[in-house]
Amino acid sequence: EVQVVESGGGLIQPGGSLRLSCAASGFTVETHCMTWARQAPGRGLEWVSVTYGANTYYADSVKGRFTVSRDNSKNMLYLQMNGLRAEDTAVYYCASYIVTHPYWGQGTLVTVSS
Amino acid sequence: EIVLTQTPGTLSLSPGERATLSCRASQSISTTYLAWYQQRPGQAPRPLIYDASRRATGIPDRFSGSGSGTDFTLTISRLEPEDFAVYYCQQYGISSVTFGGGTRVEIK
Repeated sequence: EVQVVESGGGLIQPGGSLRLSCAASGFTVETHCMTWARQAPGRGLEWVSVTYGANTYYADSVKGRFTVSRDNSKNMLYLQMNGLRAEDTAVYYCASYIVTHPYWGQGTLVTVSS
Repeated sequence: EIVLTQTPGTLSLSPGERATLSCRASQSISTTYLAWYQQRPGQAPRPLIYDASRRATGIPDRFSGSGSGTDFTLTISRLEPEDFAVYYCQQYGISSVTFGGGTRVEIK
């Protein structure tokens, strides 16, 4: 069964850093498209990053602050978030695309506040 | 960047009625990379349709997707009580992903 599970969210002060994890099962992270998206409270969905193989692309709102990495041995995807701002407060979702069928996790909440 | 515009913003219908939701892209996109999601309050988005017209795993056949080029449609043939929610379209390309602003389907 294909599954992705996010973790690592929490309360962080402005300017701080946080690393989110996405644990994958039922497929190989290395060979499938993976995305991060987020949803601020009461708002719609916003794309954060998309990773195909060795390439990752970022939304302008996070470019230069967020970095995606992968640990193939653990079948994990990570989102390193630096220079966090209040407007980064959101539920962050990891998603995989098996061929083109999307699978989403339940999300992890990141709150940026002093 | 491809912009997706969803209309209407809110759809007020009764259980048993048919719902038709629209998603228009600012430029032509491949049907292979167009998806629809349902989101109920407090829950994660649930994939309904991918490749513009294929139902995701476990999705009942009252949900259907159609369209090509710049115009896509999600149809719910007969609304069940659990279908009242927010629906999003999404395009996912090699170097970017975008979401529509959502359509809320509410009980009339």
